[in-house]
Amino acid sequence: DGGITQSPKYLFRKEGQNVTLSCEQNLNHDAMYWYRQDPGQGLRLIYYSQIVNDFQKGDIAEGYSVSREKKESFPLTVTSAQKNPTAFYLCASSFGQGAGYEQYFGPGTRLTVT
Amino acid sequence: KQEVTQIPAALSVPEGENLVLNCSFTDSAIYNLQWFRQDPGKGLTSLLLIQSSQREQTSGRLNASLDKSSGRSTLYIAASQPGDSATYLCAVRRQGAQKLVFGQGTRLTINP
Repeated sequence: DGGITQSPKYLFRKEGQNVTLSCEQNLNHDAMYWYRQDPGQGLRLIYYSQIVNDFQKGDIAEGYSVSREKKESFPLTVTSAQKNPTAFYLCASSFGQGAGYEQYFGPGTRLTVT
Repeated sequence: KQEVTQIPAALSVPEGENLVLNCSFTDSAIYNLQWFRQDPGKGLTSLLLIQSSQREQTSGRLNASLDKSSGRSTLYIAASQPGDSATYLCAVRRQGAQKLVFGQGTRLTINP
């Protein structure tokens, strides 16, 4: 059963703590992405990776970090430097860099920081 | 800067009606446009992908059109059902870019 998994579904943290969100895919996709969704603001790109050991900042990378050590995995760390971390986080993946490739999304992780 | 707008923000129709959702974008230099469905608290499900060279794509009761020159796309849903109730998002991929730029979505409610 191919797809993208994100864990956990819900995450609660105290302010000042770093937290890591998991994203795994078994679709053999080269590219992976992290988006953040806030009410009334649509989805915004945080980071993306086109190949293993390489990643680029998106529109709102401040306060976040990522790694891409394996093709299947693209974890996102929300650091204490992120001013408004409470949001719904979505991971996506696609084949390569070509224009025709669809992005497929995981089920999301809802992070609440108090 | 690419901006994507979806109007209306919310739409409520009775079951069985055919309906059209609208998406407009400001920069016509796009690779493709993708329509998604999102149920409350869930991830996005890809519905249709239209390449910049295409005019429309169909999947079951869904038909998406693309008019790149005018910066518009429509998603047509035929014979709507209560199970179609969800938020529908469109997103464009600008030429030379990896990311998708999303609209804010249309929240659709189909009343039995």
